Amino acid sequence: QKEVEQDPGPLSVPEGAIVSLNCTYSNSAFQYFMWYRQYSRKGPELLMYTYSSGNKEDGRFTAQVDKSSKYISLFIRDSQPSDSATYLCAMSVRRDDKIIFGKGTRLHILP
Amino acid sequence: DGGITQSPKYLFRKEGQNVTLSCEQNLNHDAMYWYRQDPGQGLRLIYYSQIVNDFQKGDIAEGYSVSREKKESFPLTVTSAQKNPTAFYLCATRTGNEKLFFGSGTQLSVL
Repeated sequence: QKEVEQDPGPLSVPEGAIVSLNCTYSNSAFQYFMWYRQYSRKGPELLMYTYSSGNKEDGRFTAQVDKSSKYISLFIRDSQPSDSATYLCAMSVRRDDKIIFGKGTRLHILP
Repeated sequence: DGGITQSPKYLFRKEGQNVTLSCEQNLNHDAMYWYRQDPGQGLRLIYYSQIVNDFQKGDIAEGYSVSREKKESFPLTVTSAQKNPTAFYLCATRTGNEKLFFGSGTQLSVL
């Protein structure tokens, strides 16, 4: 079983819809959770950074962590064509520890 | 203008040739990283350095070499021993609160 599992997609949704992106993980020691957005042939951009369980909201983005289920989610409200990108989840045990990345989910927002 | 600068954006390697990818940062971050990204794959760690004149191998260091002679610079050399070098290479730095930030990447291809 891989440490971090992420559906590669592609996921296509109409503009304005709520998008749900997810990752599961096997290591219960993970405490720090991140979401990155990567446009084609660009470097990943940090979107959300959370510690332990709970929700964190930033504009149209909400990150959710359920440590009991070893499941993290990223919700995008009022999705826009500019949200079309690959979204990578990432996590680590300690703040200064090695970061483990998911393979990324390709998202297409249809105008 | 603060940031991480990777150059060149595109690089071509001939058989048996060593090539060097540049990564420069003016963020004053201590830690620097090199990742390799293949289509449909996650980010794989090649080398990292937490301080000047010190670096450690990541998960796929074979066929690569690095140096860290100054805080701002962490060049990656892809040697002829790396038999499958075609990939997108990403340099990253890590802040004091342990968030990871990426450069814009270098696409390396074999002629």
